[in-house]
Amino acid sequence: DVKVTQSSRYLVKRTGEKVFLECVQDMDHENMFWYRQDPGLGLRLIYFSYDVKMKEKGDIPEGYSVSREKKERFSLILESASTNQTSMYLCASIRTGTEAFFGQGTRLTVV
Amino acid sequence: KNQVEQSPQSLIILEGKNCTLQCNYTVSPFSNLRWYKQDTGRGPVSLTIMTFSENTKSNGRYTATLDADTKQSSLHITASQLSDSASYICVVSAKDSNYQLIWGAGTKLIIKP
Repeated sequence: DVKVTQSSRYLVKRTGEKVFLECVQDMDHENMFWYRQDPGLGLRLIYFSYDVKMKEKGDIPEGYSVSREKKERFSLILESASTNQTSMYLCASIRTGTEAFFGQGTRLTVV
Repeated sequence: KNQVEQSPQSLIILEGKNCTLQCNYTVSPFSNLRWYKQDTGRGPVSLTIMTFSENTKSNGRYTATLDADTKQSSLHITASQLSDSASYICVVSAKDSNYQLIWGAGTKLIIKP
């Protein structure tokens, strides 16, 4: 079974802090995605990566950056956390042309 | 603009009953359509994936249909169980992009005993 693991289930951070969300997949998938999910809005794409060291902006990249130094790991960085970044963050891993596999999600609260 | 719309927004039914969730999309050119189940506080899990040439696909008590002409899909759940309580999300991908998935907002389904 594909396993996508996010580093934390729940996280509470203060406004202005730098926040790292880590995602690791074990199936050698080339594509990895970071989404945020808010009630009534569905999943919104923040960034995605289709290869090591490659990254592409999604629909809502402002306030975020990403890092993909190794194929299995895709990190989402909030440079200076703000309260409007309180959300559920979901990482997904996809082999091209097949279904997406998701991590368990990280519920981030910025106070 | 590529969009996926789902209805109803939420649905409450009694255990044992059937239900049907709807998905309309305007994604073009169409590649495939997927239905995901998402339990509260968890990541989505794939139920079915259908390409242009497939008009029905089953996964246990879940049956998805696709009408590529009208750009509509439905997910039918038979003999609902309490564990079916979840959000069901329709996702469509465009043919010219392996990376972009267009997500519906989901239908929140609650099964009451």
